[in-house]
Amino acid sequence: EAQVTQNPRYLITVTGKKLTVTCSQNMNHEYMSWYRQDPGLGLRQIYYSMNVEVTDKGDVPEGYKVSRKEKRNFPLILESPSPNQTSLYFCASSLATGGHGELFFGEGSRLTVL
Amino acid sequence: AQKITQTQPGMFVQEKEAVTLDCTYDTSDQSYGLFWYKQPSSGEMIFLIYQGSYDEQNATEGRYSLNFQKARKSANLVISASQLGDSAMYFCAMSPRGFKTIFGAGTRLFVKA
Repeated sequence: EAQVTQNPRYLITVTGKKLTVTCSQNMNHEYMSWYRQDPGLGLRQIYYSMNVEVTDKGDVPEGYKVSRKEKRNFPLILESPSPNQTSLYFCASSLATGGHGELFFGEGSRLTVL
Repeated sequence: AQKITQTQPGMFVQEKEAVTLDCTYDTSDQSYGLFWYKQPSSGEMIFLIYQGSYDEQNATEGRYSLNFQKARKSANLVISASQLGDSAMYFCAMSPRGFKTIFGAGTRLFVKA
């Protein structure tokens, strides 16, 4: 089954404790991206990757890091989480670029930073 | 600036009636894609429909159609014959150069029996 898998789905952590949210897709998509969803703001793009070893900032990259060492994986790293990073996070992938491919989303990871 | 505006935070529609969810966008790019996604209360994001900026025909997918008015920069979603299962949050999105995707704040649709 074609899917994007995120882990963990739910996480409660404390300020400053490094964490990683994993994302893996089995569709051989070149494009992957991370979003955060906050009430009233919709989804905002954190980072995206056009291919292996190619990543770039989205609209809200502060406090986050990513890496793309393999085509299928695109982990999101919070080196020193803060309460304002409490949010619902989505990983997504797409086959097509140039604005023409729909995004396939993971199920979301709800993160709470105390 | 690239922006998506959804002016309806919440809407009600009677079951079996049609409903239009508004979306306007702003971009200076000539080539872009417009998308609608549905987010049910379970939280997952579901792709509904896509419209390319150079497509002359409005996109349709089953009960969903996208009313694309390029000159007005609007991309409204029309849901025909609403069903109770259509109750969800709906997001309009734009991908101006294929690298970024910009989402609106969403419209929550409530379908009444």
